[in-house]
Amino acid sequence: EPEVTQTPSHQVTQMGQEVILRCVPISNHLYFYWYRQILGQKVEFLVSFYNNEISEKSEIFDDQFSVERPDGSNFTLKIRSTKLEDSAMYFCASLRAGRRNYGYTFGSGTRLTVV
Amino acid sequence: GDSVTQMEGPVTLSEEAFLTINCTYTATGYPSLFWYVQYPGEGLQLLLKATKADDKGSNKGFEATYRKETTSFHLEKGSVQVSDSAVYFCALDRGSTLGRLYFGRGTQLTVWP
Repeated sequence: EPEVTQTPSHQVTQMGQEVILRCVPISNHLYFYWYRQILGQKVEFLVSFYNNEISEKSEIFDDQFSVERPDGSNFTLKIRSTKLEDSAMYFCASLRAGRRNYGYTFGSGTRLTVV
Repeated sequence: GDSVTQMEGPVTLSEEAFLTINCTYTATGYPSLFWYVQYPGEGLQLLLKATKADDKGSNKGFEATYRKETTSFHLEKGSVQVSDSAVYFCALDRGSTLGRLYFGRGTQLTVWP
């Protein structure tokens, strides 16, 4: 069964450093998403991406964050100048066109720890 | 705004016990409702869904009914197994074109043999 792959599974970084979280969505999917879950809190929407541009972003997704699909397969989330409060599990998801009600496919997540 | 409130855990049960995890929602329009499950070390997997009022989603012995009058989508299973131990997330999709999910906090279920 096709799956969404996220790397790395765990990343530790120092406060103020930049990190790039990587995702390989399912090949025939057209919509891509990032979510995050701070320990003990809700899974929160960050951003959705379609046709090589951001289609929606939450209030969390400020200028510190950026996304891109540089080569048609990878979908990356960049966090500039990380803060302690960025420590969370980050999930990538993808969705095939016209199949929203059938569910999104999620990756296993990247646990980001900022120290 | 749209939101999901989910029963907090952890929930610990013996094998073959009955499971209920409560989920209520707040949404405008006609959302679709989902339960996702996360097994240790894995991603979020769709467990079941319901797209309109009174629909019942079911999968792997789990069921949930979309109750518009009580804005609820409680997850139930008649007889849990050790292999059901996981984190369960209730979520809604408010129905916009491109979709985004609103999640609850997740409920950790542990089933003992």
